[in-house]
Amino acid sequence: RKEVEQDPGPFNVPEGATVAFNCTYSNSASQSFFWYRQDCRKEPKLLMSVYSSGNEDGRFTAQLNRASQYISLLIRDSKLSDSATYLCVVFSYGGSQGNLIFGKGTKLSVKP
Amino acid sequence: NAGVTQTPKFRILKIGQSMTLQCAQDMNHNYMYWYRQDPGMGLKLIYYSVGAGITDKGEVPNGYNVSRSTTEDFPLRLELAAPSQTSVYFCASSITANEAFFGQGTRLTVV
Repeated sequence: RKEVEQDPGPFNVPEGATVAFNCTYSNSASQSFFWYRQDCRKEPKLLMSVYSSGNEDGRFTAQLNRASQYISLLIRDSKLSDSATYLCVVFSYGGSQGNLIFGKGTKLSVKP
Repeated sequence: NAGVTQTPKFRILKIGQSMTLQCAQDMNHNYMYWYRQDPGMGLKLIYYSVGAGITDKGEVPNGYNVSRSTTEDFPLRLELAAPSQTSVYFCASSITANEAFFGQGTRLTVV
């Protein structure tokens, strides 16, 4: 089982749609959780951290379920500018040290 | 505040050549990482460091070496470049389990 797994996508949605991405992680000792956004040929940038209580930032809502080892991202009222690849990222302790593990990403295309 | 700086931005290498990808951060972060991203694929961890003098292998370390003599710098060395090392290389830094900041990447082609 891969350490961080995401919906493979791509997701093609019209403007204004609501879209949800899911992610699961295998290491129950994982400590921190994030959603990153990566535009084509650019570096990943933090979209939002994910907390156990759930958190919201404008049109974006992230949820974490530690018992199920599941993370989600909800985007409401999609904009053309939301088109990007969304990466689920987990900081886990495995072996001697912890490190950041990235999912393969889910590509979102928002169409007019 | 420069953040994470990678050099060079682009490089073409011939098979068998060697090179060093430079990465520097000015945020006093303890963790630094090197990832590679092949076209259409996710990021794979090559090496990481939890502080000066401490490095550890990631998922795909073969063909690469790193060192961390200072908090600021984390160079990645490619010995005997191979076409399979054609990729985009990203360096990142963080304070332990907090968000990571990325450099703009180095696009490497081995021919």
